[in-house]
Amino acid sequence: GAGVSQSPSNKVTEKGKDVELRCDPISGHTALYWYRQRLGQGLEFLIYFQGNSAPDKSGLPSDRFSAERTGESVSTLTIQRTQQEDSAVYLCASSLSEGRHEQYFGPGTRLTVT
Amino acid sequence: KQEVTQIPAALSVPEGENLVLNCSFTDSAIYNLQWFRQDPGKGLTSLLLIQSSQREQTSGRLNASLDKSSGRSTLYIAASQPGDSATYLCGEKGAGNMLTFGGGTRLMVKP
Repeated sequence: GAGVSQSPSNKVTEKGKDVELRCDPISGHTALYWYRQRLGQGLEFLIYFQGNSAPDKSGLPSDRFSAERTGESVSTLTIQRTQQEDSAVYLCASSLSEGRHEQYFGPGTRLTVT
Repeated sequence: KQEVTQIPAALSVPEGENLVLNCSFTDSAIYNLQWFRQDPGKGLTSLLLIQSSQREQTSGRLNASLDKSSGRSTLYIAASQPGDSATYLCGEKGAGNMLTFGGGTRLMVKP
């Protein structure tokens, strides 16, 4: 079956512009996660959605970052007024539900802020 | 803040060798631990998931163990092949909703 998909695969933007990244989870997966991977650093958690519950935003690094999810489908991560330190690979994952289930990752979006 | 450490950071072995990758975690309330591989420029591919109630999981040439009391997990790769070359990541899930990742072990298997 189809895995997690993300678009665009690459995005180059100028400092100060807003960007929107998209994630399509595996069908039927109620839990969705966003992580980022900066060059030379480990994966950092950003935000988590589970069904219709309030999202866990504890990993968002600043108020320039926000994310939405419509029901149990597509999610978008928005970064406003991008900075060079936002350059990273943004990875989305989904799982059948929270807790005990495997997380399946998408291919990521490579964001470069010039 | 929970921490996850992977040692070594890089490993080079000849083809056919058995090897062990290590993952240490500080979270005493671990819920489960997941091993992934990441190829250059790609996302993460899930290899094995171990629940906190389990001691080990096996998939083909891979075997992952979990020792909660010592805060350690190992990934054993039998009869390594050049196609196993990748970065291996462990992600620990505790009371929070997210995985906390180690820095990864970059494995090179030489023909």
